[in-house]
Amino acid sequence: ETGVTQTPRHLVMGMTNKKSLKCEQHLGHNAMYWYKQSAKKPLELMFVYNFKEQTENNSVPSRFSPECPNSSHLFLHLHTLQPEDSALYLCASSQEATSGYEQYFGPGTRLTVT
Amino acid sequence: GEDVEQSLFLSVREGDSSVINCTYTDSSSTYLYWYKQEPGAGLQLLTYIFSNMDMKQDQRLTVLLNKKDKHLSLRIADTQTGDSAIYFCAEIPSGSARQLTFGSGTQLTVLP
Repeated sequence: ETGVTQTPRHLVMGMTNKKSLKCEQHLGHNAMYWYKQSAKKPLELMFVYNFKEQTENNSVPSRFSPECPNSSHLFLHLHTLQPEDSALYLCASSQEATSGYEQYFGPGTRLTVT
Repeated sequence: GEDVEQSLFLSVREGDSSVINCTYTDSSSTYLYWYKQEPGAGLQLLTYIFSNMDMKQDQRLTVLLNKKDKHLSLRIADTQTGDSAIYFCAEIPSGSARQLTFGSGTQLTVLP
């Protein structure tokens, strides 16, 4: 256990559905991240939140909408997704101003868009 | 091309040493990391090294950093079947305080 939990672990949704992914960290960190992991591609950073403020958005389509209500929780709201959005979505957290900026990952949500 | 490159596959015999290699492009990278991903799981941080170091050892793991060649390696001594996983190298490039750039990962298979 890394101290970062994600729900659900698996999600199948149609292209017209709306769903949300949830991430919670129990490490007292103040930065949280969403990554996308597709087959045979490097991990892609999607969003970064620092002290609840979004600091990075790596040209992610608007059908992905993040929300960070506090330093412990991070959501990814999904709507009108495409089949190519099927992937493993990983959440991570880190503590700013630590020596190594190391990020701790949750187990991921395996998303399938039909 | 990718900023961080790794070989895709490595097979070793149980009990042998494994060496997983990585090359990166940003000579100003401050930290370099090794993560492990088992099937169906997220990424587990194994170790990291600061750019002013050339070696770091942690139990069975040894990280070597050659800044001149921008080459990073992870050596696993006495490799066990439980070490079978995908290993990712990652860097924090200069100017991006918290954005990790990952390689595509090396699938390590440990044969009995």
